[in-house]
Amino acid sequence: QITLKESGPTLVKPTQTLTLTCTFSGFSLSTSGVGVGWIRQPPGKALEWLALIYWDDDKRYSPSLKSRLTITKDTSKNQVVLTMTNMDPVDTATYYCAHKGGLRTDYWGQGTLVTVSS
Amino acid sequence: DIQMTQSPSSLSASVGDRVTITCQASQDISNYLNWYQQKPGKAPKLLIYDASNLETGVPSRFSGSGSGTDFTFTISSLQPEDIATYYCQQYDNLPETFGQGTKLEIK
Repeated sequence: QITLKESGPTLVKPTQTLTLTCTFSGFSLSTSGVGVGWIRQPPGKALEWLALIYWDDDKRYSPSLKSRLTITKDTSKNQVVLTMTNMDPVDTATYYCAHKGGLRTDYWGQGTLVTVSS
Repeated sequence: DIQMTQSPSSLSASVGDRVTITCQASQDISNYLNWYQQKPGKAPKLLIYDASNLETGVPSRFSGSGSGTDFTFTISSLQPEDIATYYCQQYDNLPETFGQGTKLEIK
């Protein structure tokens, strides 16, 4: 059974760096073809894809946010970490991590709401 | 980025109705399209992958079709528990992109 869970601060101040951790079980990020991605959703708005890391440490980012994002993995801990620099109130959103098996994104975490406010 | 245009943005239908949502990609994405269901306060749930394949455990009243740039999602007989927002997502090219969502309500 694949599960993922996001953790991190619920409130960050403008200009601060956000660090979110995705802890997962039921699969290994060392298995060929597997990836873990991050997606966010501002309150009442649509989903926005952010970043993805593959089993071979290939990393992909949203072009519009690439300069602010870093994604890393710790295979031994079954964790993926996303950092986003220079946070702004427009970055207020629920942040999800998700399992990518082959081509499709199939299992999602429950999400964590991050509010950016001074 | 590939733009995904989803319509309608909202839809009101009665229990038992056939419901159809469309999604149009700004370029050919073959069949690399997911459909998700999202209920308030919950994560999206995958219903359809590769445009027309039903995810395991998903009721057969849900279906998808299309390829290239034009796609359709159908609920054959709307049930009260289907009230949610539905999203399409392309995964042909990175960044993966989503439609703006269709909020489905009971009439």
